Order: sequence, then C-alpha cells, then structure tokens
Amino acid sequence: DAKTTQPNSMESNEEEPVHLPCNHSTISGTDYIHWYRQLPSQGPEYVIHGLTSNVNNRMASLAIAEDRKSSTLILHRATLRDAAVYYCILRDGFGNEKLTFGTGTRLTIIP
Amino acid sequence: NAGVTQTPKFRILKIGQSMTLQCTQDMNHNYMYWYRQDPGMGLKLIYYSVGAGITDKGEVPNGYNVSRSTTEDFPLRLELAAPSQTSVYFCASSPRQSNSPLHFGNGTRLTVT
Repeated sequence: DAKTTQPNSMESNEEEPVHLPCNHSTISGTDYIHWYRQLPSQGPEYVIHGLTSNVNNRMASLAIAEDRKSSTLILHRATLRDAAVYYCILRDGFGNEKLTFGTGTRLTIIP
Repeated sequence: NAGVTQTPKFRILKIGQSMTLQCTQDMNHNYMYWYRQDPGMGLKLIYYSVGAGITDKGEVPNGYNVSRSTTEDFPLRLELAAPSQTSVYFCASSPRQSNSPLHFGNGTRLTVT
C-alpha cells in the first residue's frame, strides 16, 4: 500500500533545471512531505520537506500542489553530483512511524 | 558530532550463523528505524522504535529481532542467517516531530553464503 508514486527514472542535462514529481493522492491534512536522496553506495540523505507552502533551501525547492495530492522537487541547476535516487515519503503527525520509501526515481545527469 | 553510527561496515556470514548489527546515535532522538536495501531496489522497513522499550514491526520483519533498551542504541539481530538476507542494512533516527528529518547511517553490507 504505497502512499507515494514516483517515476522509476528520469534524465536531465547538466546545468539545466530538473523537476521530479511525486503523487500522494491519499495524503491527510497532517502529513508532511519529505524528500530524500541516495547517492551511489551511500545512505539516504535528507533534502527538503514541506506541509502546504512551497519551500526553498540551499539544496532544492519543493512545490506542493494546492490540493496537496502531488509535489515536485526542483533542482534549479543540475550537476553531475545530483545523480542519485530520489525518494518522496509522507510522515504523519500522529506518531505512525511505519515509514515506507518505495523505489524512488533514479535521476541520471547527462554531461 | 557522530550522528548515526553503524557497525560493522561489511560482514560475510555462513547460512545458519547469527549476528547482531549495531546502531547507535548521539542526537538523543526518540525514533529509530532499520531498513534493508536489496541490489537495485528501494528501502524496506524491517523494524522501528518510538522510544526505549518500544519496538514495532515494519514491512519485512521475518527473520529479524530488535531491542531498544536505551535511547542511543537499536541493535538488529539475525538468528539463523539465510541467503535471502543478503542486503545492505541502514539504520536511521529522528526526533519525534513529523517535520523533522531522518538521519541515516552509512549502512552495513551483509552477505550470507
């Protein structure tokens, strides 16, 4: 019972923006949307999270649809170091910590 | 600031052997998790804990046991290793708040032959 769905893979050219989509049609009002990425041979690392409003940090931006049923992670200028698997997960506010990750989106950056 | 530390980094086990994967965090996080990742696949939740003395099953708990006697440590036990348990194991921790990120360790690569 995956809570989020993402494309299996995407490609982007280096130095261009990348938009990584995530669908979460069964999201509840208290669920936070979290994004992580996993570089080759490393553990996942946190990228960004949000609840309702769009969010920016030094790594990326997160655009959340008005109905919150989808979100998009935006890498403004992809570099070769951004090649990774990107995961979108939901985390609720009621202590349900059975956090499942799914298979994520494998992002390939073309030089 | 060590974060989440996993030991060992690598291990080879024979079928039927047992071992404990260690995980410790120094951030005073309430929540801790164990995931496994098979080659080319995503992360599967094995067990998680919301505090000392409290553990619960994840998606794939069979063949594993956990305990949480302290806030810092969350060891994962394999009693009778099987080839199907060949995987990379990641431990993670998080504060209680749902707007807080998970912090992952660097993983333990386990091979069962």
